[in-house]
Amino acid sequence: QVQLKETGPGLVQPTQTLSITCTVSGFSLTSYYMQWVRQTPGKGLEWMGFIRSGGSTEYNSEFKSRLSISRDTSKNQVFLKMNSLKTEDTGVYYCARETRGITDYWGQGVMVTVSS
Amino acid sequence: DVVMTQTPVSLSVSLGGQVSISCRSSQSLVHNNGNTYLSWYLQKPGQSPQLLIYKVSNRFSGISDRFSGSGSGTDFTLKISRVEPDDLGVYYCGQGTQYPFTFGSGTKLEIK
Repeated sequence: QVQLKETGPGLVQPTQTLSITCTVSGFSLTSYYMQWVRQTPGKGLEWMGFIRSGGSTEYNSEFKSRLSISRDTSKNQVFLKMNSLKTEDTGVYYCARETRGITDYWGQGVMVTVSS
Repeated sequence: DVVMTQTPVSLSVSLGGQVSISCRSSQSLVHNNGNTYLSWYLQKPGQSPQLLIYKVSNRFSGISDRFSGSGSGTDFTLKISRVEPDDLGVYYCGQGTQYPFTFGSGTKLEIK
């Protein structure tokens, strides 16, 4: 069955870089888009961007200057890297599978706290 | 960006009752290909969102027929009939028609 699981640090210091890995099973990354969505107290659910099945990316301009999404298809993993973190970036980060504008499966999410 | 406005913010319903949640978009959600990428999600307490309805009115795999979606253009509705205890949580609408994809702010369903 389709499964997605995020792993990452629980605590990141302001100005530092956040790195999260999403490991998937039950489907191929070369057949689906994979996106990152975060949920913060201030803004609720926010779509951050995705990596297409072919490997190209699309980012929300809100994050474009500091966000990078990549993948390793041999390991069934998708990566999020975001730099220059601020306290407002505190929240739960989800990876999710996208099928033609439909976000059908979500990971359990990883809580990230930005604090010194 | 497309702004998704959900109403009400919260509602309380008795078991077995029926509720409707409204979602309005600031722009038409009809894609160039003719599809309307409006979805509904339920986030149960302590869990990630789960897909209920996609493309306005299509129930996702395993979703009860107590959930139904309708609407077009910019106005959409989710109806839940014969409400059960497991239906409690926060309901979100989301659009996948235009980048960046956006979500509503949620409607919290409580059971009386």
